[in-house]
Amino acid sequence: DTGVSQNPRHKITKRGQNVTFRCDPISEHNRLYWYRQTLGQGPEFLTYFQNEAQLEKSRLLSDRFSAERPKGSFSTLEIQRTEQGDSAMYLCASSYSLYEQFFGPGTRLTVL
Amino acid sequence: AQKITQTQPGMFVQEKEAVTLDCTYDTSDQSYGLFWYKQPSSGEMIFLIYQGSYDEQNATEGRYSLNFQKARKSANLVISASQLGDSAMYFCAMRPLEAGSYQLTFGKGTKLSVIP
Repeated sequence: DTGVSQNPRHKITKRGQNVTFRCDPISEHNRLYWYRQTLGQGPEFLTYFQNEAQLEKSRLLSDRFSAERPKGSFSTLEIQRTEQGDSAMYLCASSYSLYEQFFGPGTRLTVL
Repeated sequence: AQKITQTQPGMFVQEKEAVTLDCTYDTSDQSYGLFWYKQPSSGEMIFLIYQGSYDEQNATEGRYSLNFQKARKSANLVISASQLGDSAMYFCAMRPLEAGSYQLTFGKGTKLSVIP
């Protein structure tokens, strides 16, 4: 039984470049969430998918951010024209029930 | 809007002792869920315990229990018989249980250090 996986685990990029992260949820989970966590803070919600439909988006998800979940399986989070303020840990979670969410190990993004 | 407040940036506890991590919340929702997560230095968020706002009994999961006081809007986590492996960041979180929103709102966390 594998948990939520995320790739890459670490990403270093230069300001202005585009980056894409991938999340593979637990196989039977139809709900998928993206969060962002900056140093010294708790995670902040970005977006939520139920199957392939993106049902909820935070105002933190600016026009430079886009998330997809084709076929309701894995999900990708893309950040265009990265800025130094985008440096953070990006966490993916999945769930089957409406209660606990199971988190992956995260992708740490550093924008130079 | 929902808000979680964790007033203890850091806590120390002696191994085998019990410790209480504080959490207060603010919400206008009638039905909501409260969660505690553990985040070790590796970074992964580990679900510990859940309490629904309509649950009359406090939730327990092994060495973890949630001291839920609805009138005071508090949801403190109690860890009994602390172990060295309990050293980590602990986050309190909540979300409305009504349809339409599934996002968790987290506090800033408490860093727990267990002393041998």
